[in-house]
Amino acid sequence: NAGVTQTPKFQVLKTGQSMTLQCAQDMNHEYMSWYRQDPGMGLRLIHYSVGAGITDQGEVPNGYNVSRSTTEDFPLRLLSAAPSQTSVYFCASRPGGNQPQHFGDGTRLSIL
Amino acid sequence: DAKTTQPPSMDCAEGRAANLPCNHSTISGNEYVYWYRQIHSQGPQYIIHGLKNNETNEMASLIITEDRKSSTLILPHATLRDTAVYYCIASRAGGTSYGKLTFGQGTILTVHP
Repeated sequence: NAGVTQTPKFQVLKTGQSMTLQCAQDMNHEYMSWYRQDPGMGLRLIHYSVGAGITDQGEVPNGYNVSRSTTEDFPLRLLSAAPSQTSVYFCASRPGGNQPQHFGDGTRLSIL
Repeated sequence: DAKTTQPPSMDCAEGRAANLPCNHSTISGNEYVYWYRQIHSQGPQYIIHGLKNNETNEMASLIITEDRKSSTLILPHATLRDTAVYYCIASRAGGTSYGKLTFGQGTILTVHP
């Protein structure tokens, strides 16, 4: 059981490039979320999904798109990378009810 | 999510109990208290959660006051590997807003030999 898998683990981009951060979970969880964590700060929610085909914005959604075509996958797309998006990105999933979220190991993204 | 307040840092001797407090005075009746920790820059790790009863699992115990305005996470025998940032979160389960765990600054717990 792999849990929540994020790829890649590290990535360097140039300003203006686009890319997709991958997130997959094998626990059949309904809910999935993307967070970013900047140095010395807590996690901030970017986008989340309450099921396949349903997504919504978190507190810092600008510059990011998501889709949820399957229960397992929740990719995060950076449309035109900016230096302000340099951060560590965490994906999380959880089942229904009051059960806790399970986090991936993160993707460390640097934008030059 | 209700706002939570935690001390910025705490120290604990190895082998002793670590008691981490959290204030959540505006918590609503359907909000649970969740505790996570983050070691270095790894992904947050779930520790324990509860609604109003005290809870215990293999990692820790959670004590919630009767009025639910505060709670304490107890690591009964702290080890050096428990050095981490600990986050207390009050969050409502269910509904379209679920999934939004609001992470504050947390408490940096340092366990000393």
